[in-house]
Amino acid sequence: DTGVSQDPRHKITKRGQNVTFRCDPISEHNRLYWYRQTLGQGPEFLTYFQNEAQLEKSRLLSDRFSAERPKGSFSTLEIQRTEQGDSAMYLCASSLGVDQETQYFGPGTRLLVL
Amino acid sequence: AQSVTQLGSHVSVSEGALVLLRCNYSSSVPPYLFWYVQYPNQGLQLLLKYTSAATLVKGINDFEAEFKKSETSFHLTKPSAHMSDAAEYFCAVRGGGYQKVTFGTGTKLQVIP
Repeated sequence: DTGVSQDPRHKITKRGQNVTFRCDPISEHNRLYWYRQTLGQGPEFLTYFQNEAQLEKSRLLSDRFSAERPKGSFSTLEIQRTEQGDSAMYLCASSLGVDQETQYFGPGTRLLVL
Repeated sequence: AQSVTQLGSHVSVSEGALVLLRCNYSSSVPPYLFWYVQYPNQGLQLLLKYTSAATLVKGINDFEAEFKKSETSFHLTKPSAHMSDAAEYFCAVRGGGYQKVTFGTGTKLQVIP
């Protein structure tokens, strides 16, 4: 068990560019979550997947954001036409998907939009 | 609907002193409650969780928390602070049957030598 991994760990981009982040969950976990954390705040839920199905999306997830989990394993989060307000830590978590389940978090991807 | 309130964005304790971090929750269904710790530039690590079994929950590194339904609280304690406990701590709630976890705004713990 290697834990949840995320790539890249840091990303600096210019406003208007597109960025894509990757999350690899713990191998036997069928649920995968994306959160966003801004300075001084707790993580905020963005979306989650049960296997390859995206089952819930937060209102925080604007049309510029899209997440996929094509084969029910790794997931990608893409932000199109980035804005300075997108600067944040993007956290991925995974869980087994049973009752009383615990979400295990990756190290996060820190995005800075200039 | 569910929410978490963490009282005190910053807490300072002396090394060896009691640690008390406060958390109050709101949930329309019986909750699952969590405490996570976050070190700088790292993800969140689970300290402990309450899942409707024992109301006193023991976690890693001698942390524990007590679920008090009448007070809607889930405060985190540790008898003796260590320098390595300096970090940010997040309380979180998940309503049973829902997948979304709602986090508090966090409490930064400073341990003074």
